[in-house]
Amino acid sequence: DGGITQSPKYLFRKEGQNVTLSCEQNLNHDAMYWYRQDPGQGLRLIYYSQIVNDFQKGDIAEGYSVSREKKESFPLTVTSAQKNPTAFYLCASSPGDWNTGELFFGEGSRLTVL
Amino acid sequence: AQKITQTQPGMFVQEKEAVTLDCTYDTSDPSYGLFWYKQPSSGEMIFLIYQGSYDQQNATEGRYSLNFQKARKSANLVISASQLGDSAMYFCAMREGDGNNRKLIWGLGTSLAVNP
Repeated sequence: DGGITQSPKYLFRKEGQNVTLSCEQNLNHDAMYWYRQDPGQGLRLIYYSQIVNDFQKGDIAEGYSVSREKKESFPLTVTSAQKNPTAFYLCASSPGDWNTGELFFGEGSRLTVL
Repeated sequence: AQKITQTQPGMFVQEKEAVTLDCTYDTSDPSYGLFWYKQPSSGEMIFLIYQGSYDQQNATEGRYSLNFQKARKSANLVISASQLGDSAMYFCAMREGDGNNRKLIWGLGTSLAVNP
């Protein structure tokens, strides 16, 4: 089935450790996105990438890093510089020709910092 | 100021009845798009419906319709004949400008519970 796969679904991390969240899509979409969701808040864009080897900061990029070496993969690293990393992280993709703005989402990764 | 406002934190509806989820927006850009997404307890966001600012007719997708009132800057989602599977969080979102703008602005969401 075509879709977006995020892993791991749940992740625990000690303070000061970096952690990488995986996002893979087989929809042949050009663009990929990382969002953060906190309780009682809307989604906030961390990073997005419209083509391979290129990405742009979203609204809350500080403390995060990404790479886009392959079209189907867009991993997110939550670094120790991120002051409050406990959150639900959602990866999404969209076609390059983005007429309607429909995003296709994965099932998310829940990160808890102990 | 909030660009997307969803004033109903929680809503209840009886199965088979219709329900309206409110969304108001604020933008000075004449070109924009409005979206509704559903987030069930599994966590993924599911695209429901889209309305462009220049679209003359209200968008419809099956049981979902968007009541677009441009002058009032509102884009309410109407779900007809509610089903138990409609219980979820619903988010309204907006894209300002054309498709080159990849950033969506999201509301805080409305939790919908469908009662049997």
